[in-house]
Amino acid sequence: DGGITQSPKYLFRKEGQNVTLSCEQNLNHDAMYWYRQDPGQGLRLIYYSQIVNDFQKGDIAEGYSVSREKKESFPLTVTSAQKNPTAFYLCASSIGQLGGTGELFFGEGSRLTVL
Amino acid sequence: AQSVTQLDSHVSVSEGTPVLLRCNYSSSYSPSLFWYVQHPNKGLQLLLKYTSAATLVKGINGFEAEFKKSETSFHLTKPSAHMSDAAEYFCVVSDRGGGADGLTFGKGTHLIIQP
Repeated sequence: DGGITQSPKYLFRKEGQNVTLSCEQNLNHDAMYWYRQDPGQGLRLIYYSQIVNDFQKGDIAEGYSVSREKKESFPLTVTSAQKNPTAFYLCASSIGQLGGTGELFFGEGSRLTVL
Repeated sequence: AQSVTQLDSHVSVSEGTPVLLRCNYSSSYSPSLFWYVQHPNKGLQLLLKYTSAATLVKGINGFEAEFKKSETSFHLTKPSAHMSDAAEYFCVVSDRGGGADGLTFGKGTHLIIQP
């Protein structure tokens, strides 16, 4: 079945450590996204990529980094510079750009807790 | 600039009764509008979308929504609630003038179904 796979589902990190969240898709979608979800806050865009080897900052990119070396993969690194990293992280993809009628396809999320 | 307001953070209904989740939006362009559903600790799934065709949009699982430009609303309804409808619901507006980061998410409405 086609879809988006995020791993790990749950992750614990000590303060000062970097951690990388994996996102893989087999939908052959060009665009991929990382969102952060906090209770009662909706989703906020961290980074997005429309094509391999290119990505743009979203609304809350500080303290995060990404890479897009393959079409299928869009890993997110939460660095020690992110002051409040405890959150639910969602990866998504779309066939094309979302400025019009595009639909997002989501993974099942990764819950990061900083101890 | 665009924005979306979900008027209720929590809605509680009895099983078998109608569901109404309210959403108001603002947009400088002709918007596309979406409703997504999220079950606990899962990713989001598209329920339905409006993209300037018919103003009454039918989605999955018996949900529908009506685009009312004069009221800048896109309320989600279902005639008869089922226990499996208990979830978080997000109203989303897409600005056609924007790029791949042109989505704005509401803060969500938590739907509770009483037996």
